Amino acid sequence: DAGVIQSPRHEVTEMGQEVTLRCKPISGHNSLFWYRQTMMRGLELLIYFNNNVPIDDSGMPEDRFSAKMPNASFSTLKIQPSEPRDSAVYFCASSFAQSYEQYFGPGTRLTVT
Amino acid sequence: AQTVTQSQPEMSVQEAETVTLSCTYDTSESDYYLFWYKQPPSRQMILVIRQEAYKQQNATENRFSVNFQKAAKSFSLKISDSQLGDAAMYFCAYRVDSNYQLIWGAGTKLIIKP
Repeated sequence: DAGVIQSPRHEVTEMGQEVTLRCKPISGHNSLFWYRQTMMRGLELLIYFNNNVPIDDSGMPEDRFSAKMPNASFSTLKIQPSEPRDSAVYFCASSFAQSYEQYFGPGTRLTVT
Repeated sequence: AQTVTQSQPEMSVQEAETVTLSCTYDTSESDYYLFWYKQPPSRQMILVIRQEAYKQQNATENRFSVNFQKAAKSFSLKISDSQLGDAAMYFCAYRVDSNYQLIWGAGTKLIIKP
């Protein structure tokens, strides 16, 4: 079975540019999570979708960040405009339901120069 | 407040030996789940093992087992017959039943000496 798929694996961009990260959850999972991992802050939950609907976006840092889930098999996390402090590894995770264990994708390492 | 503490920033063990990673948590809930995730240098977060708080029996997955002490709020991970591929960051995480929010520890870096 395919796990959670994320693209790109690496992204290097200049400050001010728009960045779009993509995620395909495990088929049949109805909960999707976006996380950010940094050395300073560890793993932070950015947003949680259930059945394609955003349930909790309290972790989204600011208005420059937005996330969508147009269907059960695809989600995007967009940063516009990007800043150097957005440099981090961004993970997407999915679960069968909100109460089940979460399975993570390989992550996207974002570097903003 | 619900917190997860991993007091060992780094541990090292000789290949083929056994190592135990510590995790404590603070909660007033009675129904919850505990997890250990592994993050190797490839950075993928891999679920290693889970434990339901209502189960008295400690969870086991091949060479990985936990020592769950509910009263002490302790959840340690034992890795037997350590292998080079076990080298990674190990994160302990907690979740209240029927909730999606995972509370994470800071992680323990495990080094395997050949």
